Amino acid sequence: DTEVTQTPKHLVMGMTNKKSLKCEQHMGHRAMYWYKQKAKKPPELMFVYSYEKLSINESVPSRFSPECPNSSLLNLHLHALQPEDSALYLCASSQREQGAGQETQYFGPGTRLLVL
Amino acid sequence: LAKTTQPISMDSYEGQEVNITCSHNNIATNDYITWYQQFPSQGPRFIIQGYKTKVTNEVASLFIPADRKSSTLSLPRVSLSDTAVYYCLALSGGYNKLIFGAGTRLAVHP
Repeated sequence: DTEVTQTPKHLVMGMTNKKSLKCEQHMGHRAMYWYKQKAKKPPELMFVYSYEKLSINESVPSRFSPECPNSSLLNLHLHALQPEDSALYLCASSQREQGAGQETQYFGPGTRLLVL
Repeated sequence: LAKTTQPISMDSYEGQEVNITCSHNNIATNDYITWYQQFPSQGPRFIIQGYKTKVTNEVASLFIPADRKSSTLSLPRVSLSDTAVYYCLALSGGYNKLIFGAGTRLAVHP
């Protein structure tokens, strides 16, 4: 099973709402990632978790709050977002974070977020 | 992390071979060249990876010359379903941080 699943597929939220994006993998991977992708732009790294600990935070605003409850799950909690945060949010996982440049990241289908 | 440069877009026709070249002049000794494919509204998908010479799998071939300053992704006999964005990345050993460039938008026509 080389699948990363993400829920929900689509999400519409107001600027005062609190919502969460969920990501799950059962490949035994110990590194998980959140990316943000705007239309016709490449994915941009937001966070990296390695062995359930936050390893990289790419200076993401605090209205995005990641959480890794266990090695298979990754959440992204959203609060007080702005319309410019509307984007496709992608989750990915890999066997490990550190190591040779041969690590392959497996991406989920993404959550399409619209902030009104 | 080595910066990569690719053509912004390419057009092809069904059944043709497509070659997408990526330039990575400042590639480091322990960098691997990796290609991802992304369809609209989907996450990127790993296609192929190599260090030097030629690598082939069931989807594509990757050619890397001896100086490793460029690489070429070759897609044999493309079909309409190969229409996608293709990203070239140079991944450093010991650091698994994907920095995507602009990618190449490949459009395959009937």
